Amino acid sequence: QVTLRESGPALVKPTQTLILTCSFSGFSLSTNGMCVTWVRQPPGKALEWLALIDWDDEKYYSTSLKTRLTISKDTSKNQVVLTMTNMDPADTATYYCARVQWTGIYFDHWGQGALVTVSS
Amino acid sequence: QSVLTQPPSASGAPGQRVTISCSGDRPNIGSNFVSWYRQFPGTAPKLLIYTNNKRPSGVPARFSGSKSGTSASLAISGLQSEDEGDYYCVTWDDSLDGPVFGGGTQLTVL
Repeated sequence: QVTLRESGPALVKPTQTLILTCSFSGFSLSTNGMCVTWVRQPPGKALEWLALIDWDDEKYYSTSLKTRLTISKDTSKNQVVLTMTNMDPADTATYYCARVQWTGIYFDHWGQGALVTVSS
Repeated sequence: QSVLTQPPSASGAPGQRVTISCSGDRPNIGSNFVSWYRQFPGTAPKLLIYTNNKRPSGVPARFSGSKSGTSASLAISGLQSEDEGDYYCVTWDDSLDGPVFGGGTQLTVL
């Protein structure tokens, strides 16, 4: 059974750095074709892709947020970490991690999401 | 402004068939597979269709997907009240080198 769970602070101040962890089970990120991605959704708005890391440690970033994002994995711990610098109130959103199948690029399992509010 | 264009809303009566469109360009839909997701308020999205027209185990056959050129569609037949929710299309974009989402379509069952 594949599960993913996001964890991190619920509240961050403007200009701070956000660190979110995706802990997963039921698959290995060292398996060919496996990827983990981060997606966010501001309240009442659409889903927005942020970053993706694949089994070979290749990393992909949203062009609009590339300078602020870092994605990394710890295969032994079954975790993927997303770091977003210089947080702004506009970054207030629910942040989801999801497993991605590289063949076809589809998100077949999602975490429940973590709401992050940016406010002083 | 999303890279993929979806109608903001769609509706249909119970039992009817409704189609949601997703329009893109050659670097994205024109060159890659499309997947579809449904999201209920306050919950995570769920995969409905992958690689243009395949259904994961557990997704009813009422849901079907298709792709032609730079556009894709999700069709829902035999509409039910529990189909209400937000629907998103996703594909890879070769120019942006990452996945891109549609803006979402809110489906209402009348």
